[in-house]
Amino acid sequence: DAGVTQSPTHLIKTRGQQVTLRCSPISGHKSVSWYQQVLGQGPQFIFQYYEKEERGRGNFPDRFSARQFPNYSSELNVNALLLGDSALYLCASSLDLWDRGPNYGYTFGSGTRLTVV
Amino acid sequence: TQLLEQSPQFLSIQEGENLTVYCNSSSVFSSLQWYRQEPGEGPVLLVTVVTGGEVKKLKRLTFQFGDARKDSSLHITAAQPGDTGLYLCAGELEFTGTYKYIFGTGTRLKVLA
Repeated sequence: DAGVTQSPTHLIKTRGQQVTLRCSPISGHKSVSWYQQVLGQGPQFIFQYYEKEERGRGNFPDRFSARQFPNYSSELNVNALLLGDSALYLCASSLDLWDRGPNYGYTFGSGTRLTVV
Repeated sequence: TQLLEQSPQFLSIQEGENLTVYCNSSSVFSSLQWYRQEPGEGPVLLVTVVTGGEVKKLKRLTFQFGDARKDSSLHITAAQPGDTGLYLCAGELEFTGTYKYIFGTGTRLKVLA
């Protein structure tokens, strides 16, 4: 089975532009979360989606938005890019919103490295 | 603002040595996870601890959840170069109808052969 896939893997954008990042969760996983990881830091929570509904939002400006599609894939959009948006954007999937199996947690994709110049 | 602090931030040791990484917070967590991240990759889940005082072992790695569920430690015995990476702890906070994970600041481990 394929893991969590993210596209593109790398992206270079200019300040002020808009970007869309894509994520396909593990087959059967219904919950997708987005994280931003700035170099040298731990991931910061951006959004959580479950069954196409936003279930959680981190402390990020309205320039950040996301959605989840009927097939559970997800997109993260960032408008009016700033230099500080340069980071690794990680998508994480989990089986269910309240998955409590023996070793539950996230399965992360490899991320999209966004560079804003 | 919830904060998860990890210590040390950086650790460089010789192969065969033992080490402990700490993860501390003032918040109480429903569970706590440990991940390892390699350069250019996403974090990979190592373990989830749920009960206060719980200890889990994964080969040479021992994970402990604090009694009050506010802190955790990761102990590696006889470290090997393959253990090199960024170790992240993540605490689970529950909200009405959902939850989120707060990640720690990370511990970058380098094991020298």
